[in-house]
Amino acid sequence: DVVMTQSPDSLAVSLGERATINCKSSQSLLYSSNNKSYLAWYQQKPGQPPKLLIYWASTRESGVPDRFSGSGSGTDFTLTISSLQAEDVAVYYCQQYYNTPFTFGPGTKVDIK
Amino acid sequence: QVQLVQSGAEVKKPGSSVKVSCKASGGTFSSYGISWVRQAPGQGLEWMGGIIPIFGTANYAQKFQGRVTITADESTSTAYMELSSLRSEDTAVYYCTRVVVLWFGETPVEYYFDYWGQGTLVTVSS
Repeated sequence: DVVMTQSPDSLAVSLGERATINCKSSQSLLYSSNNKSYLAWYQQKPGQPPKLLIYWASTRESGVPDRFSGSGSGTDFTLTISSLQAEDVAVYYCQQYYNTPFTFGPGTKVDIK
Repeated sequence: QVQLVQSGAEVKKPGSSVKVSCKASGGTFSSYGISWVRQAPGQGLEWMGGIIPIFGTANYAQKFQGRVTITADESTSTAYMELSSLRSEDTAVYYCTRVVVLWFGETPVEYYFDYWGQGTLVTVSS
């Protein structure tokens, strides 16, 4: 199984400041035939289901604010919130869909400092 | 708009089974996959398995093989997840998710989860 790790476990950022979350996979998620990394990011607010933010490592889902961006390729990925808003308080998960079983990172909790 | 509406909370005895439903609306049910993901209290997300309704065959995580059955009824756009031999560690919120699928010839390939149901809390307690 592909093991996903995330860092940090949690972070507190001032409103308007940048938040950066890292995700690492135990094997490459880059599919050579299409040059795409099979990595998604989800946001989960308390009491709600997860919500898709980013897929193909860097493609923003429709309706997701452009302060959210994804980067990286292969085994190392980053989710950046460029200017943290109060409504961004949540747990963020990365997930690989390169092969089954689909696996998630343990999550990173983002709070306001 | 796409909606996945799940059945209500369940309380079950250890050793029994639970069946959770997930009714899809607002999209073409057969063009996507449905996966089931669970989340134990205060824990992360765990993929259990999934099905592509038009393809018919379910795919399960090794951890749940033999205990989980995922089915889909195209006529009602509803997917089901049945988990048997329940134990206390199965207490969790169970989510259905819509999976983006692309076809390569006759082979479907599943990708990311673009919509999620509201979740169903299953409590296993004696």
